[in-house]
Amino acid sequence: QKEVEQDPGPLSVPEGAIVSLNCTYSNSAFQYFMWYRQYSRKGPELLMYTYSSGNKEDGRFTAQVDKSSKYISLFIRDSQPSDSATYLCAMSYTGNQFYFGTGTSLTVIP
Amino acid sequence: DGGITQSPKYLFRKEGQNVTLSCEQNLNHDAMYWYRQDPGQGLRLIYYSQIVNDFQKGDIAEGYSVSREKKESFPLTVTSAQKNPTAFYLCASSIHLAPEQFFGPGTRLTVL
Repeated sequence: QKEVEQDPGPLSVPEGAIVSLNCTYSNSAFQYFMWYRQYSRKGPELLMYTYSSGNKEDGRFTAQVDKSSKYISLFIRDSQPSDSATYLCAMSYTGNQFYFGTGTSLTVIP
Repeated sequence: DGGITQSPKYLFRKEGQNVTLSCEQNLNHDAMYWYRQDPGQGLRLIYYSQIVNDFQKGDIAEGYSVSREKKESFPLTVTSAQKNPTAFYLCASSIHLAPEQFFGPGTRLTVL
């Protein structure tokens, strides 16, 4: 079983839709939860990170962590064509080794 | 501008040759990382270094080597022992034990 599981998609939504991206994990020791956005042929860029459980909001993006279910989510409100990218979740328990999901490919159609 | 640079952007190598990928950062970060990205497999850790002159193997270190002689530099050598080296290689850095990693633009290596 992989440490982190992520549905690869692809996911296609109309502009303005709410997007929900999810990851599950098996290691209950994970404490840090990150979401990265990666455009084609580029390096990932950090969108958000949360520590332990709870929600965090930044503009149109909301990250949720449910440690009891070992499940994390990223919500994108009012999605834009510029949000079209691959979204990677990542987790860590030590802060010096990170475990990534395979990424979900998202296309927002104008 | 602060950031991470990787060079070259594209690299072609013949089978049996060693090749070195460059990674430089001016963020004054202590920790640096090398990942390999393949379609459908996400990012896999090759090596990481928390301080100068020290580094640890990641999950897929076989066929790779690194050095960390300077804080700002963490070159990766892909040796001829790496059986399937064609991939997208990403370098990252972070403050020691901080969860946020900052990535470079990547190097795409193709073995001919």
